[in-house]
Amino acid sequence: DAKTTQPTSMDCAEGRAANLPCNHSTISGNEYVYWYRQIHSQGPQYIIHGLKNNETNEMASLIITEDRKSSTLILPHATLRDTAVYYCIVRVETREWGMRFGAGTRLTVKP
Amino acid sequence: DTEVTQTPKHLVMGMTNKKSLKCEQHMGHRAMYWYKQKAKKPPELMFVYSYEKLSINESVPSRFSPECPNSSLLNLHLHALQPEDSALYLCASSQVLVRGFGEQFFGPGTRLTVL
Repeated sequence: DAKTTQPTSMDCAEGRAANLPCNHSTISGNEYVYWYRQIHSQGPQYIIHGLKNNETNEMASLIITEDRKSSTLILPHATLRDTAVYYCIVRVETREWGMRFGAGTRLTVKP
Repeated sequence: DTEVTQTPKHLVMGMTNKKSLKCEQHMGHRAMYWYKQKAKKPPELMFVYSYEKLSINESVPSRFSPECPNSSLLNLHLHALQPEDSALYLCASSQVLVRGFGEQFFGPGTRLTVL
């Protein structure tokens, strides 16, 4: 699976959009981009995933660049409860290899 | 039912004890996983079960023994653990789809302390 690079930490003001970047320059054509988050002392929570098209669900939007070498997770109106570590993971779905978590980005939403 | 449950929530054990962690899901998922997470680190994969058969063991020491008695249940048997095995143990499950393995749903974890 391709390696990902994320900023160590980010801050966001409550009510504003949080844009979390992820670099995956070695991604291959059959690898999906997944985003999870982990709120302190809880299990990771699935947010969204995509292959090459932009995706949106009730939690977030995922924007993948045309060359697929980077992506951005957007939380449109961040709340204090969105404070968490956000993990960007690239994986091939046909392999039962589980999720390979990197260090992630610690997002702090401030009042 | 759309959740993965894990019991117990907390476990304290001595190095000579034998204990088991339990994970259950009723979403019809046929892939189940154990992860270990040390403080301030990301989760690390330990084992993968697919259709109740062990498919991946990430070189985990034999003092950790997984078991998948049926498609809804996953156990992790612990014996002769070391203090450095203290961690949050996470269970997850996923669908097995035509395209492959879907997104994983995680339980809340069991926080294990080895004295």
